[in-house]
Amino acid sequence: QVRLQESGPTLVEPSETLSLACSVSGASISNYHWSWIRLSPGKGLEWIGYIHRSGRTDYNPSLKSRVTISLDTSKNRVSLKLISVSAADTAVYYCARVLYDRMFWFDPWGQGMLVSVSS
Amino acid sequence: DIVMTQSPDSLAVSLGERATINCKSSQSVLHNSNNKNYLAWYQQRPGQPPKLLICWASIREFGVPDRFSGSGSGTDFTLTINSLQPEDVAVYYCQQYHTTPPTFGQGTKVEIK
Repeated sequence: QVRLQESGPTLVEPSETLSLACSVSGASISNYHWSWIRLSPGKGLEWIGYIHRSGRTDYNPSLKSRVTISLDTSKNRVSLKLISVSAADTAVYYCARVLYDRMFWFDPWGQGMLVSVSS
Repeated sequence: DIVMTQSPDSLAVSLGERATINCKSSQSVLHNSNNKNYLAWYQQRPGQPPKLLICWASIREFGVPDRFSGSGSGTDFTLTINSLQPEDVAVYYCQQYHTTPPTFGQGTKVEIK
């Protein structure tokens, strides 16, 4: 059974960089594709971006200039970096598996991690 | 972006009764090449991440009880929960994957009356 677990700082200061990791167990990240999604009171569920198992990425245009998603195959985890954050980036961040290339339904999801942006 | 609009925002249903959630997309999510609707439904129980219930508008994921059913085509879709159970208390989301970026409805909260 594939399990995902997000980790990282829960508090980030405005204008700084949000960095999260998604540790995957029960499967090799090289066999699937992955996405990051966030949930906030203001915007609901918002897709952040996608990484193919080859490393090819696709980002939400609304965040594209600030986002980087990458694979760390040695640690079997998927990383998210979001630069120049503001209070609007406060959200619960989820990683999720994408089973087929660019077929963007998500299963399973990690437990999620609440990240607050505040000084 | 395709805008997904769910109705109602919340509903309260008696145990054993039916709950119906509607989802409307601002553009058709029916793919002409394969005649498939690129629509998924998720359940998010309190304190839990979203869980995939249905993809392709009507195909239940393995292990999802058959009291959950999805229907609709084009721009109008419905999630029906027959014989509501206590464990069905959750927020339900629809999501289109026809066009990038994939987008979600705002969610419908289902409670017990």
